[in-house]
Amino acid sequence: GAVVSQHPSRVICKSGTSVKIECRSLDFQATTMFWYRQFPKQSLMLMATSNEGSKATYEQGVEKDKFLINHASLTLSTLTVTSAHPEDSSFYICSVSDYGYTFGSGTRLTVV
Amino acid sequence: AQSVTQPDIHITVSEGASLELRCNYSYGATPYLFWYVQSPGQGLQLLLKYFSGDTLVQGIKGFEAEFKRSQSSFNLRKPSVHWSDAAEYFCALEYGGATNKLIFGTGTLLAVQP
Repeated sequence: GAVVSQHPSRVICKSGTSVKIECRSLDFQATTMFWYRQFPKQSLMLMATSNEGSKATYEQGVEKDKFLINHASLTLSTLTVTSAHPEDSSFYICSVSDYGYTFGSGTRLTVV
Repeated sequence: AQSVTQPDIHITVSEGASLELRCNYSYGATPYLFWYVQSPGQGLQLLLKYFSGDTLVQGIKGFEAEFKRSQSSFNLRKPSVHWSDAAEYFCALEYGGATNKLIFGTGTLLAVQP
């Protein structure tokens, strides 16, 4: 499967600021990527499907204006958490739709 | 609607003992099923997947899973557990629509006693 690199692995930001998380597919041209959110000791919840060159598709209940997704190339999708608040603190994971699904190593976001 | 259920939230086994993690699914079409493992603070690693064909699927790290359509199950097994197997295990189902997606079970946390 693909090799997926997610950066940063950890980030701390102040409440009200924005933070960008990158997901790179290093050896696979990914037309579709996914973004998940995982709360402590819980499962992964799909936030949105990122499609190269078009708008992302958000799951019900996910604020598209807060979680901005850009998939400008076949190797990079970004998730920007805008005006972050403590309740946005979570573990965010991306995945690439290759011959199955390959996941990045995740980003721990802490908003203080 | 599609769903994945992992009935066991937490399981403890002794090192060297056998392991079975349960997974049940609900889906109106042919299921594509996956097992992933997650170590603390890490992403998910694919253990094995079932798309079609042989209902007994071999994966990495000595894991296997058996698809049973009549029971809507896809249980994960390992004959002899190692301490390094301690982690969270997720069963997932691919479902279709405009784009195929994964839905996950709630996970089973495996602890291994020496």
